[in-house]
This record gives sequence, structure tokens and C-alpha cells, in this order.
Amino acid sequence: GAVVSQHPSRVICKSGTSVKIECRSLDFQATTMFWYRQFPKQSLMLMATSNEGSKATYEQGVEKDKFLINHASLTLSTLTVTSAHPEDSSFYICSARIHGGGLVSPQHFGDGTRLSIL
Amino acid sequence: GIQVEQSPPDLILQEGANSTLRCNFSDSVNNLQWFHQNPWGQLINLFYIPSGTKQNGRLSATTVATERYSLLYISSSQTTDSGVYFCAVLLLNSGYSTLTFGKGTMLLVSP
Repeated sequence: GAVVSQHPSRVICKSGTSVKIECRSLDFQATTMFWYRQFPKQSLMLMATSNEGSKATYEQGVEKDKFLINHASLTLSTLTVTSAHPEDSSFYICSARIHGGGLVSPQHFGDGTRLSIL
Repeated sequence: GIQVEQSPPDLILQEGANSTLRCNFSDSVNNLQWFHQNPWGQLINLFYIPSGTKQNGRLSATTVATERYSLLYISSSQTTDSGVYFCAVLLLNSGYSTLTFGKGTMLLVSP
């Protein structure tokens, strides 16, 4: 149980392209989803918290106009990297918390999206 | 913010050996998770352990919340245990909760 699907798993595109990444909870509802970024040989850094039906909460230093987050349903959150540039190349991972599980319940992670901007 | 320190940063083991990974955190936490990130980047949830001891096969974990540390034990290591092990702590603050990850321990198990 608690499966999170992330799509696509890998994207290679040209500089200036906008890229959308989807995060779906397959067997549970998720009021809250999270987006992380991981650079090579580094840890995961939280970018933003996505809440169904409301605006996302971004961590300090993360440009909200650059990384657009939409959480339109209880099972889907999307991250759009707008006008991507080579420095946006990274591994993006989403996670979801089971609706009703409480604020301290565990987060369940997707398999990540490796984004490469040429 | 809270600091999460993991040790050792790197570890090389011979297959069959045992190991202990440590996670220290600088403040009281509401929860703690251990993850294994495999070479393909997949993050596998090992334990959800705010306190006490849990075991799952060859892995076990102990969290001593009052002393602000957690330990992950790997026994009879296998090559498939290779990867990065992350500890992440959860803080609840004003109805908002976030996970903070340590920098990880990179484990290489050789045949």
C-alpha cells in the first residue's frame, strides 16, 4: 500500500522549454504532497509543500514563478519547471502523506524524475 | 533550523559484515524516518521510528528521542544493500510539518 507514482522518470530537453512532472498517489488520498530536489551526491532539499485546493508553500530561496505547483485533486500534484535552464538540471522527487494520517505520519516517496536541460 | 548529522559519511564493507549507522539531531522531533536510496535513485522507506526499536529482517533501528539520536543496524550485509542511507526528522510547527534530511551515509558492500 501507499504507492506514489511519478512521471516521467527521465526528461531531456532544450534550454527554454517548460517541463511538467506529475506525482500521483495510486491507492490513497493525499491532501498534502511535497516536492524535493536532489543534486548529485547531495541530500534531498524540500522545495515546496503542495496542498490540495490551495496555493503551495515554497521554501526560502525557491522561485515560485519558476517552479509552478498545482494540486488540483486529492491524488495528483504537478510541478512545472518553466523556461528551464541547465542549472535546473537535477533529480526531482515527490512525496505524499496519507489524508487523515496526521501531520506526523510518514511521507511516501515517488521514484523521482531526472531532469537534464541541454 | 534543526540540524541532522549522519555518520559515517562513507562506509565500505565486505559482504557478510555488520554495520551501524548513526543519526544525531539538534532538537526534539515529532518523528524520524530512515530511507535507503538505491543506485537508481529510488528512495525506499525502511523505518518510521520516532522512538524505540524496530526490526525488519536484517535491518533494525533504534531511536532514543531524549538523547536525540537514532541508529540503523545492518547485519550480514549484501551487495544489494549498497546505496545511500538517509535519516530524516520531522518537526511539527504551527500546524505545518516538514522533513529535514541528513547528508546521508554512502554504503558500498563488496562481494
